[in-house]
Amino acid sequence: DSGVTQTPKHLITATGQRVTLRCSPRSGDLSVYWYQQSLDQGLQFLIQYYNGEERAKGNILERFSAQQFPDLHSELNLSSLELGDSALYFCASSVEDTQETQYFGPGTRLLVL
Amino acid sequence: GQNIDQPTEMTATEGAIVQINCTYQTSGFNGLFWYQQHAGEAPTFLSYNVLDGLEEKGRFSSFLSRSKGYSYLLLKELQMKDSASYLCAVRDSEGDDKIIFGKGTRLHILP
Repeated sequence: DSGVTQTPKHLITATGQRVTLRCSPRSGDLSVYWYQQSLDQGLQFLIQYYNGEERAKGNILERFSAQQFPDLHSELNLSSLELGDSALYFCASSVEDTQETQYFGPGTRLLVL
Repeated sequence: GQNIDQPTEMTATEGAIVQINCTYQTSGFNGLFWYQQHAGEAPTFLSYNVLDGLEEKGRFSSFLSRSKGYSYLLLKELQMKDSASYLCAVRDSEGDDKIIFGKGTRLHILP
């Protein structure tokens, strides 16, 4: 158990819908990362927050947004969902914002029908 | 452009040593990560290199040469549980500091 929690574990929804994925980092970790993993694309970095501020941005679609709250938990919002958004979404946390060890949560498996 | 290359698959024998190579071409460089991922599970962070040289952590070591755009992950005394995918990733300091992943190397360990 990494100490990072993600909810929900599984999510099934329809195209065009909007969902919110939630991540609670390990106690004391200030940085949260979001990743997407699909079978054809591999692991893709989406976005990183550090202490409430956006720190780094990957290939995150405009339909996706994220934020980190004062209590350091983070949410990833996915809207206007398409079939291709079906993937595993991982959250990871680290103490600082760069080279520290990242701890991954168990992931949320999203299926868009 | 940005590119991270690593072999798709490798096979090694239990108890042996294996080296997984990674070459990268990015606009900038702010560190290289190695992750291990077992099928159906979340990735596990293995190492982070930002300076040239070898970093050793138990049975795993990671090497970086920034001038050559090259890294390797060395696994010693291989165990069956080391069968997994190994992902190389680079933080691109010129590209919003984003982290770019290779496709991963699937390592098979034979008894």
